[in-house]
Amino acid sequence: AQSVTQLGSHVSVSEGALVLLRCNYSSSVPPYLFWYVQYPNQGLQLLLKYTSAATLVKGINGFEAEFKKSETSFHLTKPSAHMSDAAEYFCAVSQETSGSRLTFGEGTQLTVNP
Amino acid sequence: GAVVSQHPSWVICKSGTSVKIECRSLDFQATTMFWYRQFPKQSLMLMATSNEGSKATYEQGVEKDKFLINHASLTLSTLTVTSAHPEDSSFYICSARTGGKTDTQYFGPGTRLTVL
Repeated sequence: AQSVTQLGSHVSVSEGALVLLRCNYSSSVPPYLFWYVQYPNQGLQLLLKYTSAATLVKGINGFEAEFKKSETSFHLTKPSAHMSDAAEYFCAVSQETSGSRLTFGEGTQLTVNP
Repeated sequence: GAVVSQHPSWVICKSGTSVKIECRSLDFQATTMFWYRQFPKQSLMLMATSNEGSKATYEQGVEKDKFLINHASLTLSTLTVTSAHPEDSSFYICSARTGGKTDTQYFGPGTRLTVL
């Protein structure tokens, strides 16, 4: 069984500020973890994924995430927020590196204030 | 990167009618496609896994007779919502798996279904 919990359904930051979106997972087997971004009325775009090669994963658009097994966490960060980062972010877990049969978290709506 | 399309992007239908949604992998062959459902302001829930040439595997609680899935070719999977009711109104998103060495899943843009 696997599950994902995203702490904070809404996060608001100022433009230029640090972005931190929290994700904790539960999995009975070594997990593969993913972060996706969704813009209004669109599908999902992969930001980055952890597949056990390196605990610090760098993704697109300046985002990165660190896998911490001891904390069962995979938090997403970006040093400086842009207005274009405003979107819904989903953390997800899978038992396959391809991301098949994903279990998603509840999502976090990121608002970036000017 | 790989592209997955969905058609239509939105559809409005009357209660009791059936609606078909297409999911196509445009520049790769997908042995496996997935169908997700997303209610407003909520997360995505996996409905079923569609394998080319075989019956779909449905997640627990998803009515297979209600949501008919056909994966007739390596580039096309269809989801038919039969006898649609207002509670079936949702955002339906498909994804396709590339397989191979760089096995990756790509998502379609989604289809907004509104049942009146």
